[in-house]
Amino acid sequence: GENVEQHPSTLSVQEGDSAVIKCTYSDSASNYFPWYKQELGKRPQLIIDIRSNVGEKKDQRIAVTLNKTAKHFSLHITETQPEDSAVYFCAARGWGTASKLTFGTGTRLQVTL
Amino acid sequence: EPEVTQTPSHQVTQMGQEVILRCVPISNHLYFYWYRQILGQKVEFLVSFYNNEISEKSEIFDDQFSVERPDGSNFTLKIRSTKLEDSAMYFCASSEGGGETQYFGPGTRLLVL
Repeated sequence: GENVEQHPSTLSVQEGDSAVIKCTYSDSASNYFPWYKQELGKRPQLIIDIRSNVGEKKDQRIAVTLNKTAKHFSLHITETQPEDSAVYFCAARGWGTASKLTFGTGTRLQVTL
Repeated sequence: EPEVTQTPSHQVTQMGQEVILRCVPISNHLYFYWYRQILGQKVEFLVSFYNNEISEKSEIFDDQFSVERPDGSNFTLKIRSTKLEDSAMYFCASSEGGGETQYFGPGTRLLVL
């Protein structure tokens, strides 16, 4: 089955700096890669996603890149703000209806003033 | 904006007792999922459900677990005889289509004593 690795497990940046979180996946049939942000005790909330027919997607300060050949994708957050502090999970979904999301182990991002 | 809702928010039970966790998916969504997250760990897939039947289940979803859509709005997860290791946050999610974005509910925190 699919296996998703995520690095780093913790990341501390100063406000205004950029943050990059990287994930790799194992199943070449996976075709959808969402990123979820989870604040303490809250639900995972989708912040951006990318499908396998696209190499890059951007939404304001957040961007995701996908390298299908290398089977890795990354989340880029620019001009970080304290409210970006949370745990970020990458995920991958394979082919088929009602396909499950396989999550990475999460990255705890701390944005310091 | 419509959201997935879950009840109860917290549930404490004794080992060996049955629990039923309830979810109300977004109204026009057709695909439903249960995930769990043990404290401090990643989100893990349990089961997906479509057209009144299970589409896929993980190895975690053994005979002690069952799901049901008892009416047009609710989606339930039953654990027949809870174990200590069932203590976790259980998230329900729904999507409009099988390949579409999955939206998560706020979760039910289950504590088995």
